[in-house]
Amino acid sequence: DAKTTQPNSMESNEEEPVHLPCNHSTISGTDYIHWYRQLPSQGPEYVIHGLTSNVNNRMASLAIAEDRKSSTLILHRATLRDAAVYYCILRDVRANRDDKIIFGKGTRLHILP
Amino acid sequence: DAGVIQSPRHEVTEMGQEVTLRCKPISGHDYLFWYRQTMMRGLELLIYFNNNVPIDDSGMPEDRFSAKMPNASFSTLKIQPSEPRDSAVYFCASSFSPGDINTEAFFGQGTRLTVV
Repeated sequence: DAKTTQPNSMESNEEEPVHLPCNHSTISGTDYIHWYRQLPSQGPEYVIHGLTSNVNNRMASLAIAEDRKSSTLILHRATLRDAAVYYCILRDVRANRDDKIIFGKGTRLHILP
Repeated sequence: DAGVIQSPRHEVTEMGQEVTLRCKPISGHDYLFWYRQTMMRGLELLIYFNNNVPIDDSGMPEDRFSAKMPNASFSTLKIQPSEPRDSAVYFCASSFSPGDINTEAFFGQGTRLTVV
């Protein structure tokens, strides 16, 4: 499985933007970059995914480096409810391939009021 | 849809007893995943199914663990006999793959298992 590297933890102030980095230097051409997060006492939830271009949705933005060896999840205005563990995951875009979703240790995001 | 439904939410059992965890995936989803989460090991994939068929069970820790998916709307994870080191939160997730694309997985609320 292609691996990702994330910082163990990060802190941010409430109502400020947060940039969560992820390195994936061994990414292959058919790997999508997925982000999930896990709020306290809940199951993981999907945040966003992308292949090559930057992506935006109501939760966050995903900025993907031109060489695709790194990406950044951007929370534009963090709230206390965004305190969670954020996971960066690579998934092969081709269905019927090895479709395992493998979680690393993720980044624990602390939001300071 | 109510999302992925797991039962029970909490289970406390004595060492040596059989434990069965249940999962109802989202209707129409063709992939089902079972995960285990502990502080020490994080989120581990135990097994996953595609169209009710087990695809990869390499994460199942040992023969005490077994999983079945008798139909598209139900799956079980059984531990027999249970041991204290099986104490963890067990998550079930489902997703579907229309055509040639993978989509996001939806997770249940988990079952917190305590073996005493």
